[in-house]
Amino acid sequence: EPEVTQTPSHQVTQMGQEVILRCVPISNHLYFYWYRQILGQKVEFLVSFYNNEISEKSEIFDDQFSVERPDGSNFTLKIRSTKLEDSAMYFCASSEAGEQEAFFGQGTRLTVV
Amino acid sequence: SQQGEEDPQALSIQEGENATMNCSYKTSINNLQWYRQNSGRGLVHLILIRSNEREKHSGRLRVTLDTSKKSSSLLITASRAADTASYFCATDAGANNLFFGTGTRLTVIP
Repeated sequence: EPEVTQTPSHQVTQMGQEVILRCVPISNHLYFYWYRQILGQKVEFLVSFYNNEISEKSEIFDDQFSVERPDGSNFTLKIRSTKLEDSAMYFCASSEAGEQEAFFGQGTRLTVV
Repeated sequence: SQQGEEDPQALSIQEGENATMNCSYKTSINNLQWYRQNSGRGLVHLILIRSNEREKHSGRLRVTLDTSKKSSSLLITASRAADTASYFCATDAGANNLFFGTGTRLTVIP
């Protein structure tokens, strides 16, 4: 069964460093998303991406964040200068079309020290 | 905010019993989705119900939606120990994003 894959599963980084989280969405899906879940809290929407551009973003997704689809398969989330409060589980998701089931990856646990 | 809120926050039942979780939300939606999350793991999509649907089934899962009350329920019948997980509702208002609730932590005791 096709699935969304994320790498790495766990990343530890020093405050102020840049990190890139990687995702391979399901191949025939057209919509891509990033969400995050701070430990013990709700899953929060960060950004959605369609047709090579951001279609929606939340207040969390400030100038420190960027997304890119560098080739036909990968979808990345970059955090330019990490802060302690960026520590969270980051989930990538994809859907075949808008308003359809979103399928999530296993997540990348980001720890900023 | 249109975020869903699940009720109860935690539920503990014996294997074989049914589990019912409720979700309430605040704004109009296009669809509502239920997800399961095992501890520290990814979100597994369970079922999507559209705003013009009232009930949907998938295996041991039954989801209802009442748009007049802005609420949904997830029923798991004949629960198993493997159903132990957190369950979240997520609302889609058509803006290509999902708003998740706080989740119900279900524990099924063998």
